[in-house]
Amino acid sequence: KNEVEQSPQNLTAQEGEFITINCSYSVGISALHWLQQHPGGGIVSLFMLSSGKKKHGRLIATINIQEKHSSLHITASHPRDSAVYICAVRLVQGAQKLVFGQGTRLTINP
Amino acid sequence: DAGVIQSPRHEVTEMGQEVTLRCKPISGHDYLFWYRQTMMRGLELLIYFNNNVPIDDSGMPEDRFSAKMPNASFSTLKIQPSEPRDSAVYFCASSRLPGQGKGETQYFGPGTRLLVL
Repeated sequence: KNEVEQSPQNLTAQEGEFITINCSYSVGISALHWLQQHPGGGIVSLFMLSSGKKKHGRLIATINIQEKHSSLHITASHPRDSAVYICAVRLVQGAQKLVFGQGTRLTINP
Repeated sequence: DAGVIQSPRHEVTEMGQEVTLRCKPISGHDYLFWYRQTMMRGLELLIYFNNNVPIDDSGMPEDRFSAKMPNASFSTLKIQPSEPRDSAVYFCASSRLPGQGKGETQYFGPGTRLLVL
């Protein structure tokens, strides 16, 4: 079993829909990252969080440390949100090593 | 800032050849990471450096892989000899020291797509 599990693996939705991507992990962490990988391959860091919630534009990330679970939400989804979304956790306080989930491929149709 | 720079962007080579991937981190960043991405295994950390010193190389597959960081602005990942199973996209990323304002966000380079025939 992977230390970081994402669901769903693939998600197709219509423009405007509310999107939720989930990430569960089985180990103690000091931080969790959400990354976006564009169809061209580039990777961008969206959020880094260790508690609570963060919001950036139409993107919202939440984390529940007790339940070892995080969600990434996209409001008013748009075709340009189509990408692979990757959850990654930092395992040990002060260490910089990230362990990655397998990613969720999101496709937003117009 | 130009961001993290990697070269080459694409590399096609034959089995047994030496491959060298290059990375220039963002100026002022203290950490440099090398990752490999494949369809089967996703993203994996190979090695990371802090202030040019290798900190964790537990992800380096085997002795055929080596990485160096001779100075703060340059790192290489070398595969010798290369094998078809090394075919993947190799990403370099850099970040600041934790706690310095911008936190620990990692900035990724565009990647090098390697194909070993």
